[in-house]
Amino acid sequence: DVKVTQSSRYLVKRTGEKVFLECVQDMDHENMFWYRQDPGLGLRLIYFSYDVKMKEKGDIPEGYSVSREKKERFSLILESASTNQTSMYLCASSNTGRGAGTETQYFGPGTRLLVL
Amino acid sequence: AQSVTQLDSQVPVFEEAPVELRCNYSSSVSVYLFWYVQYPNQGLQLLLKYLSGSTLVKGINGFEAEFNKSQTSFHLRKPSVHISDTAEYFCAVKSGCSNYKLTFGKGTLLTVNP
Repeated sequence: DVKVTQSSRYLVKRTGEKVFLECVQDMDHENMFWYRQDPGLGLRLIYFSYDVKMKEKGDIPEGYSVSREKKERFSLILESASTNQTSMYLCASSNTGRGAGTETQYFGPGTRLLVL
Repeated sequence: AQSVTQLDSQVPVFEEAPVELRCNYSSSVSVYLFWYVQYPNQGLQLLLKYLSGSTLVKGINGFEAEFNKSQTSFHLRKPSVHISDTAEYFCAVKSGCSNYKLTFGKGTLLTVNP
């Protein structure tokens, strides 16, 4: 079974703090993703990475950065946390299939972040 | 640009009743379609996906969905629901010209009552 783990289930931080969210997958997947999930808005893509050290912006990258130094690990960084970044953060990974888009994204359990 | 509309934000049903969760998409090119389920305090799990071929797709837990190209719809159905099906359901679309990116609907909360 594919396993995607996230470093924390719940996190409380203060405005202005630097926040690191870590995601690790154990299936040697090329692609990794960070989403945020807010009530009534569904999932929105923040960043994704298709290889080590490679990244592309998603729909809402402002206020976030990412790092992928190893294939299995994808980090989301909030340089200076703000209250509007209070949300559920979901990490996902997928393999590159024979046709782009055929691959399934596997999700971690999520990190619920509260910024005070 | 691709988009997904889930027509109902909440669907309450009684146990053993049939259910349909509606999803419409817009895309100018060929699409791949997905339904995910999220149980309370968990991540998303794939229920089923349409890539090509038969328009009726069967998934896990007795769910199925039908791809209707003329109606641009991908509705999810189950003939008889259980209490354990209570969860949030997300429809997602990926167009053939988009690299990796899934666009999700806003979700439908299915509540199954005894």
